[in-house]
Amino acid sequence: EVQLVESGGGLVQPGRSMKLSCAASGFTFSSFPMAWVRQAPTKGLEWVATISTSGGSTYYRDSVKGRFTISRDNAKSTLYLQMNSLRSEDTATYYCTRERSTTPYWYFDFWGPGTMVTVSS
Amino acid sequence: DIQMTQTPSSMPASLGERVTISCRASQGISNYLNWYQQKPDGTIKPLIYYTSNLQSGVPSRFSGSGSGTDYSLTISSLEPEDFAMYYCQQYDSSPLTFGSGTKLEIK
Repeated sequence: EVQLVESGGGLVQPGRSMKLSCAASGFTFSSFPMAWVRQAPTKGLEWVATISTSGGSTYYRDSVKGRFTISRDNAKSTLYLQMNSLRSEDTATYYCTRERSTTPYWYFDFWGPGTMVTVSS
Repeated sequence: DIQMTQTPSSMPASLGERVTISCRASQGISNYLNWYQQKPDGTIKPLIYYTSNLQSGVPSRFSGSGSGTDYSLTISSLEPEDFAMYYCQQYDSSPLTFGSGTKLEIK
C-alpha cells in the first residue's frame, strides 16, 4: 500500500525557516517524480515544486523560487521541502504527492494527509 | 499562467442525481486536464486523468470529457460519499494550475 506521511509543520515567525519531510513507503520511491502541493486555509490547491526521480531536476512556482528547495533522499525514501524567508502567504497545509508521468498522462496519483505550516509573529 | 475557472463554486444536489461540474481554461490545454476529489477530512485523490481516463479504483459513475478550453466532470448518480470538493488541474504548461474548486453539498 502506498503511503506518504508528512512531518515538520508548525508555527514559525515571518522570515524564519522550516523544513518539511515526507516519508514514503509501499512503492519504489526512486522510480517516481515527487511534488509538494499546498492549500491555504479555505483556499484551493496550489502546486509548489517538483523533483525528478534522481533529484537532478527541480521545478518551482515563481512565488517560492529562491526561497524554497525541494530535495529527496532515495536511500531513505524521503522527500523534503526546505522553506526559507517564510512569509504570511506561505501559511497553508502542505501535501506531499507522487507524480505519475507517462506521456500524455501527468497527474498526482497519491497524496499524503498534509502538514500545516503557519507563518505568524 | 493558465487560469482554470470552475463552475459552479457550490452545488446542492440530491442522492441519485446526475451532476456535472465545468472547468474552463484561459487558453487551450490539449486535453491535459485532471480531476481530483477532496473529502472534508482533507484527503485528496485523483478521479480522472487526461480528460477522460478513470483512475484505478474510482467508481464508473464518474466520467470526464472535454476538449480545447472546456472540460467537465459528471457523476451519473450521486452516492453519499460523493459529497466533497472537486478540483480540476491543467498540465499543459508550467506552472501547473488548479481550478478554485466546486463544493458538492447535500440538498
